[in-house]
Amino acid sequence: NAGVMQNPRHLVRRRGQEARLRCSPMKGHSHVYWYRQLPEEGLKFMVYLQKENIIDESGMPKERFSAEFPKEGPSILRIQQVVRGDSAAYFCASSPEGTGTNQPQHFGDGTRLSIL
Amino acid sequence: KQEVTQIPAALSVPEGENLVLNCSFTDSAIYNLQWFRQDPGKGLTSLLLIQSSQREQTSGRLNASLDKSSGRSTLYIAASQPGDSATYLCASSGSARQLTFGSGTQLTVLP
Repeated sequence: NAGVMQNPRHLVRRRGQEARLRCSPMKGHSHVYWYRQLPEEGLKFMVYLQKENIIDESGMPKERFSAEFPKEGPSILRIQQVVRGDSAAYFCASSPEGTGTNQPQHFGDGTRLSIL
Repeated sequence: KQEVTQIPAALSVPEGENLVLNCSFTDSAIYNLQWFRQDPGKGLTSLLLIQSSQREQTSGRLNASLDKSSGRSTLYIAASQPGDSATYLCASSGSARQLTFGSGTQLTVLP
């Protein structure tokens, strides 16, 4: 029973390029969350999605960042025109339907983004 | 806005010791509190989830307690082993579902 799958594990981009991070939730999970861990800082919430819907994007930077979770396929976190400050580990988590807030979130191994 | 604090930031103990990690949160209106383990370069492994109506949860050598009124949770690790060395994170969840994380306690268990 595969866990949350994120790819790539490591991604290197030059300033100004685009970064696309993918997340496949655990089987049967329809809720996806993205978190960012900046160097020497804790994890911070970015966005919460259900299939085809953004539920809460209060943690997303207003510009250059977007997320989607289409009906078919993985969730995508997209960063346009990357800057050095975007270098971080980006983690995806998923949880199942049910009694929502009492379901644990299961995390992937993250994508480590480095901006040259 | 919820704030989660973990102390100590780092802890080093000899193998076999029992230890307690502390987590405090400012807003007691939480739905649950979750403890995670993070190994270097890896993701987060969920250890225990305590619902707001519960006082504690146990899994093997781990015991987590929750006191909503005082805004505190503790993670007790019995008979520590070198394999327990990792960063331990606590996170609270409210009505918005998003997790608010503490900055973690980096634990080193010396053989």
